Amino acid sequence: GAGVSQSPSNKVTEKGKDVELRCDPISGHTALYWYRQSLGQGLEFLIYFQGNSAPDKSGLPSDRFSAERTGGSVSTLTIQRTQQEDSAVYLCASSLDAGGLETQYFGPGTRLLVL
Amino acid sequence: AQSVTQLGSHVSVSEGALVLLRCNYSSSVPPYLFWYVQYPNQGLQLLLKYTSAATLVKGINGFEAEFKKSETSFHLTKPSAHMSDAAEYFCAVSGGGANNLFFGTGTRLTVIP
Repeated sequence: GAGVSQSPSNKVTEKGKDVELRCDPISGHTALYWYRQSLGQGLEFLIYFQGNSAPDKSGLPSDRFSAERTGGSVSTLTIQRTQQEDSAVYLCASSLDAGGLETQYFGPGTRLLVL
Repeated sequence: AQSVTQLGSHVSVSEGALVLLRCNYSSSVPPYLFWYVQYPNQGLQLLLKYTSAATLVKGINGFEAEFKKSETSFHLTKPSAHMSDAAEYFCAVSGGGANNLFFGTGTRLTVIP
């Protein structure tokens, strides 16, 4: 596709439920990143993939958060037993390759609200 | 460790006036520096980036930024603000084996007609 796409665009869930957020990166991009944007915390790095492997999971806030990537393309971020503090906009980005100088292209985000 | 500090969470300028958004970085290795813009209800869009080539970097929409190592700064400027520049601007740093971006807290720019 032309850009990074994410689904759903909005998600409202009840505390304790599991949610899955999806990211479709730009075709041909080998690196994929997940960030979280919340009030008071700014933009936080969560995890990145090079191909299907995740060399850096250091930003995942708890073991309720997990992510996978299959076929070197689509990625899913899963939050189990959601809490109200998980409410945020979850942003996905992709880049041609991993590496600090590569431009990351961002999707529009998924706005998650946990009631 | 890498980080950026954006001074001023809100900046207001008159239409046609100079825009100056400040960013200072901290990095133990030569940094790569980025400015992103986020329009309401949209994703982040790259304005420009510094990757150790020219210290004055020109970006889209008339924006530019100058890397000053002695001041550890990468301030964003535009000579004349347009109403369409109203948005939130984020400075970010990467490098030294860190593939992810470390973002500042953002500066919301308001343009007054």
